[in-house]
Amino acid sequence: DQQVKQNSPSLSVQEGRISILNCDYTNSMFDYFLWYKKYPAEGPTFLISISSIKDKNEDGRFTVFLNKSAKHLSLHIVPSQPGDSAVYFCAASAAGANSKLTFGKGITLSVRP
Amino acid sequence: NAGVTQTPKFQVLKTGQSMTLQCAQDMNHEYMSWYRQDPGMGLRLIHYSVGAGITDQGEVPNGYNVSRSTTEDFPLRLLSAAPSQTSVYFCASSRFSGLYSNQPQHFGDGTRLSIL
Repeated sequence: DQQVKQNSPSLSVQEGRISILNCDYTNSMFDYFLWYKKYPAEGPTFLISISSIKDKNEDGRFTVFLNKSAKHLSLHIVPSQPGDSAVYFCAASAAGANSKLTFGKGITLSVRP
Repeated sequence: NAGVTQTPKFQVLKTGQSMTLQCAQDMNHEYMSWYRQDPGMGLRLIHYSVGAGITDQGEVPNGYNVSRSTTEDFPLRLLSAAPSQTSVYFCASSRFSGLYSNQPQHFGDGTRLSIL
């Protein structure tokens, strides 16, 4: 049973437009959420995170929104750039869980020039 | 500053062979972990450690052993390789802030392992 779900396997957007990547979770104990970006043949790199006490966190072009009641979070990239083309993983952890991350399956983002 | 270093980058084994995947970090991170990534499965936690001498099982620990004798190193051992262990393996590390740990993990570039 997947506790972190990224239901759309891929997304294609035009350069300069907004990319919205969605993630849903089922475990109500999750209280910290992260997005990782992964290029081929490289390890995932941390992008942005959000604690459950917030509903929004912004870092440059990247903003993560958290809707706890819906158990849903989203990553917005504005404006999208070709270099953003990668696989994006949503991950979550619960307090007291020793940093154990539960990952979604990932979304492949393609930004068209 | 090398971060998290994994060796080897590629390995082909025969069924039944054993091997050790190496992971080292130079950031003095307390927390280290091993994940495997399979097509369409995301990353799944194999084993983790919150400090030297302390290890615990993750989601998919069967067939793997770990030890943590130093802060820097966290090797993953395949005892008797099986084709189902064909995967890409990632090691990660982070600071561990205790009960409410929320430190982002830093990943190595992975070891691509094929079991024939």
